Amino acid sequence: GQNIDQPTEMTATEGAIVQINCTYQTSGFNGLFWYQQHAGEAPTFLSYNVLDGLEEKGRFSSFLSRSKGYSYLLLKELQMKDSASYLCAVLSSTNAGKSTFGDGTTLTVKP
Amino acid sequence: SQTIHQWPATLVQPVGSPLSLECTVEGTSNPNLYWYRQAAGRGLQLLFYSVGIGQISSEVPQNLSASRPQDRQFILSSKKLLLSDSGFYLCAWSVDGVNTEAFFGQGTRLTVV
Repeated sequence: GQNIDQPTEMTATEGAIVQINCTYQTSGFNGLFWYQQHAGEAPTFLSYNVLDGLEEKGRFSSFLSRSKGYSYLLLKELQMKDSASYLCAVLSSTNAGKSTFGDGTTLTVKP
Repeated sequence: SQTIHQWPATLVQPVGSPLSLECTVEGTSNPNLYWYRQAAGRGLQLLFYSVGIGQISSEVPQNLSASRPQDRQFILSSKKLLLSDSGFYLCAWSVDGVNTEAFFGQGTRLTVV
């Protein structure tokens, strides 16, 4: 079966660093995505990891450990606009590119 | 550039009424197409996916159906809506045969009353 776990909510201060964790147990693995979703809007792509290690993209970085079934999204220099839900998704099958999503982590950035 | 259009943005329908949500993609050919549903505070649940015209796979048993009459058109339907069909419906596409991200439409907020 498919199981993806993320914390439900997190709170951080503007300018700080926050790490959002994701653990997964899936029947197949072909990469892991992080998406950002503002309330009432569609998710937008942030990052993709298929090999172990850290991928850095501006203020956002994503890490993957396939042996541990673990990923994290690191957000630096937090801004108020970073308040959103962050969804971890595993590309479980290359057949049709299907992804299994976690329930998302709602991040609130406070001044 | 590629774009995805999904409509309507919001919809209020009575129980027992039919449903038709439409999604079209522009600027690409032979995309993988998806319908997701998102309950409040939850992640995305994959309802249907399609790898080509007329090819539909259902992920969960439900009161809904999907069709792909054209390469870049994906339709979500129901003959009789249930209260439990309320939710945020998202259409998405991805490039066929490549491990790339999904691109989402704006979503449809469906409320069944």
